[in-house]
Amino acid sequence: DAGITQSPRHKVTETGTPVTLRCHQTENHRYMYWYRQDPGHGLRLIHYSYGVKDTDKGEVSDGYSVSRSKTEDFLLTLESATSSQTSVYFCAITAGVSTDTQYFGPGTRLTVL
Amino acid sequence: GNSVTQMEGPVTLSEEAFLTINCTYTATGYPSLFWYVQYPGEGLQLLLKATKADDKGSNKGFEATYRKETTSFHLEKGSVQVSDSAVYFCALSGRGSNYKLTFGKGTLLTVNP
Repeated sequence: DAGITQSPRHKVTETGTPVTLRCHQTENHRYMYWYRQDPGHGLRLIHYSYGVKDTDKGEVSDGYSVSRSKTEDFLLTLESATSSQTSVYFCAITAGVSTDTQYFGPGTRLTVL
Repeated sequence: GNSVTQMEGPVTLSEEAFLTINCTYTATGYPSLFWYVQYPGEGLQLLLKATKADDKGSNKGFEATYRKETTSFHLEKGSVQVSDSAVYFCALSGRGSNYKLTFGKGTLLTVNP
């Protein structure tokens, strides 16, 4: 257990509504990541954080924003959800420095109608 | 940029059969290489990793060897079990990339009794 929780675990929303997903860690790790998983695409990086208030884009960042105001929480926001953002979202953490291994949360299944 | 190509599935085997899932990569420098496993309805778990050429990662009877000359990291297991049924992802983490992971598309393995 890598001490990662994601909330909510399931969400159904409508097109055009804002959605925020939360990732919480208890490991005090510096690096946190948001991925989305879609059939035929594997996992793709949306955004990541390398410290409090330090974030950067991944390969599929359009339509998403993130915030990290404290070490333990990394929020992913869909400002105006679209059906193409229906996916399973995974958060991951790594300590970096001593290890480059990422540990994943249980995922959030998001459906945008 | 970095990329990972892994064997397309699905792969269906009988219990006790030999498993190989091919994975090749493109990256600059010397990435770390990983295999992750995802059981139905769960998040990703690290299966094994290798951080330099000729390293062999192993866990739960699975093995993979980091081959720089062929840019490959094939996953093998001598005798699969029904409980090995899952989706397997090959991934790499490039040096100096803030430990970001690039994933293959995943291979679904089904093992029948």
